[in-house]
Amino acid sequence: AQSVTQLGSHVSVSEGALVLLRCNYSSSVPPYLFWYVQYPNQGLQLLLKYTTGATLVKGINGFEAEFKKSETSFHLTKPSAHMSDAAEYFCAVIDSGAGSYQLTFGKGTKLSVIP
Amino acid sequence: KAGVTQTPRYLIKTRGQQVTLSCSPISGHRSVSWYQQTPGQGLQFLFEYFSETQRNKGNFPGRFSGRQFSNSRSEMNVSTLELGDSALYLCASSPPDRADTEAFFGQGTRLTVV
Repeated sequence: AQSVTQLGSHVSVSEGALVLLRCNYSSSVPPYLFWYVQYPNQGLQLLLKYTTGATLVKGINGFEAEFKKSETSFHLTKPSAHMSDAAEYFCAVIDSGAGSYQLTFGKGTKLSVIP
Repeated sequence: KAGVTQTPRYLIKTRGQQVTLSCSPISGHRSVSWYQQTPGQGLQFLFEYFSETQRNKGNFPGRFSGRQFSNSRSEMNVSTLELGDSALYLCASSPPDRADTEAFFGQGTRLTVV
């Protein structure tokens, strides 16, 4: 069974500082990995995804993530935080060999940006 | 291109009642999945439908059911509502049978059981 662990349910950074949100996964087969963002009372919006190929993935709003198979990690980073980045972030995994479309999510990390 | 549409956005129901939530996927998407989001449990998979067939079901009691119509629209039903069913219910659609693509989420239906 797959699982996703996000370290830190709350992360606070100063505006302009580096954002680092951690995600580790467990999967018995090559995974597809996703980061989603959720603003209050909204659905989930895709930031970026890793399926195959280049392990450093760039997404929207200046975010990027690196797939590290040896560490089973897919951490999300952004060089300089903006106030508009304050939201909740979810890491998710799906088995590449799955016979149905089912995302397994981490518990989420709420990002606060301090002016 | 229209996104995933969920109706209604907000619902208040009484314990013991039943409720039906609706989801219209993006045109051309045949996979529709449902998730329950609560502060305590986070995002949990309910079920997934593809071409009117339920392909997978999460660990939820039989009070939670769903269906998909020939136009890919989906509904989920919760019978005999309990206070613990209060949650944000999210619907997601994805292109035909592709695991390497992202799911597109609706804005959700906020269900409050009193």
